[in-house]
Amino acid sequence: GAVVSQHPSWVICKSGTSVKIECRSLDFQATTMFWYRQFPKQSLMLMATSNEGSKATYEQGVEKDKFLINHASLTLSTLTVTSAHPEDSSFYICSAPQRGGRAYNEQFFGPGTRLTVL
Amino acid sequence: AQSVAQPEDQVNVAEGNPLTVKCTYSVSGNPYLFWYVQYPNRGLQFLLKYITGDNLVKGSYGFEAEFNKSQTSFHLKKPSALVSDSALYFCAVSPNSGNTPLVFGKGTRLSVIA
Repeated sequence: GAVVSQHPSWVICKSGTSVKIECRSLDFQATTMFWYRQFPKQSLMLMATSNEGSKATYEQGVEKDKFLINHASLTLSTLTVTSAHPEDSSFYICSAPQRGGRAYNEQFFGPGTRLTVL
Repeated sequence: AQSVAQPEDQVNVAEGNPLTVKCTYSVSGNPYLFWYVQYPNRGLQFLLKYITGDNLVKGSYGFEAEFNKSQTSFHLKKPSALVSDSALYFCAVSPNSGNTPLVFGKGTRLSVIA
């Protein structure tokens, strides 16, 4: 299957700093990518939909000024957590659907990024 | 709105015994259903999916799931559990062709005891 990578896999930062997380589709183009957040022992919650060439769509309750999303190319979406605070500590996972003329465009998930804010 | 229910937070099973992890869903139209497994501090690993066709779907690592439209269920099963199957399992649904995000259940932690 197709591969989606994330970088970094884990990051520790001080409160107030900004952290950028990259999501790349390695062997296919993704005009859309999805960003999820997972708190410990909880399910994945959709944060936003990243759209290549246009603004991201944020879910209710997600601060767009805090979680900046840029879909710079057909293979890269970035999530920047601005002025991070300890409550932003979480596991962030991206996914991308692979288009290709099939009945279903299967989604492929990145390995996740563990963010710890001290 | 789409939703997925995993009624069990935790499932315990002895090694070698059959296991079932339950999932029910609610979606308008024909559902696309998925099971994923997550090991500690790791991303999601795809197990299997139902798109159309046979109601019994076979997936990775000996897992299978049965789509039951009348009961709106998609339970995950394995005939003989292994200790290495111990992990967090997520059921997910997509209402259409995959260009929308998946809606996940809360997850079920499976513990296989030797």
